[in-house]
Amino acid sequence: GENVEQHPSTLSVQEGDSAVIKCTYSDSASNYFPWYKQELGKRPQLIIDIRSNVGEKKDQRIAVTLNKTAKHFSLHITETQPEDSAVYFCAEENTGFQKLVFGTGTRLLVSP
Amino acid sequence: ETGVTQTPRHLVMGMTNKKSLKCEQHLGHNAMYWYKQSAKKPLELMFVYNFKEQTENNSVPSRFSPECPNSSHLFLHLHTLQPEDSALYLCASSQVAHPGQGYEQYFGPGTRLTVT
Repeated sequence: GENVEQHPSTLSVQEGDSAVIKCTYSDSASNYFPWYKQELGKRPQLIIDIRSNVGEKKDQRIAVTLNKTAKHFSLHITETQPEDSAVYFCAEENTGFQKLVFGTGTRLLVSP
Repeated sequence: ETGVTQTPRHLVMGMTNKKSLKCEQHLGHNAMYWYKQSAKKPLELMFVYNFKEQTENNSVPSRFSPECPNSSHLFLHLHTLQPEDSALYLCASSQVAHPGQGYEQYFGPGTRLTVT
């Protein structure tokens, strides 16, 4: 089935702390896992993605890890800043070609 | 204007009205998408077009009718909608990729639809 579970639904941290968002998926054939950030009143934008042949990918303060055996992947944000406050969506490319299935989103609030 | 644009940005319509949403992408992409964003289902795929051909209809009611006249334009025709159809409708575009290859989807700003 097509299902991506995302946790937590809300996450509040202090500036400088780390934040971790986790997603699990059910389709073992999925090979592509992007993360999108949506600031209040704005459109979703890709921030990082990972493919199934890679276990971890890092881009400055953000990193994504993938465990294909357990069917879960996580977004890690270090040294959080107030501008990281947004809703973050994980997604998987379902076996339906060109089709992304999104998680339910995590609202991250970084307090100064 | 660059990127993905959508018009109108806001739309209020009655249940008996007929209206259309328009999306245009200026990125040279060949795949376009319609998503519905609501509090219940934050990002729900509705339709996918590749090279103007519809490749996905995610069990969307027939009161929503997509049209893709060319790779740069996408429409969503609306008729006899229900109040529960009120949501933000997002258009996106991307390169066409092989399965598993991965591709970034570029979203438009969305149309905020209210059905009264």
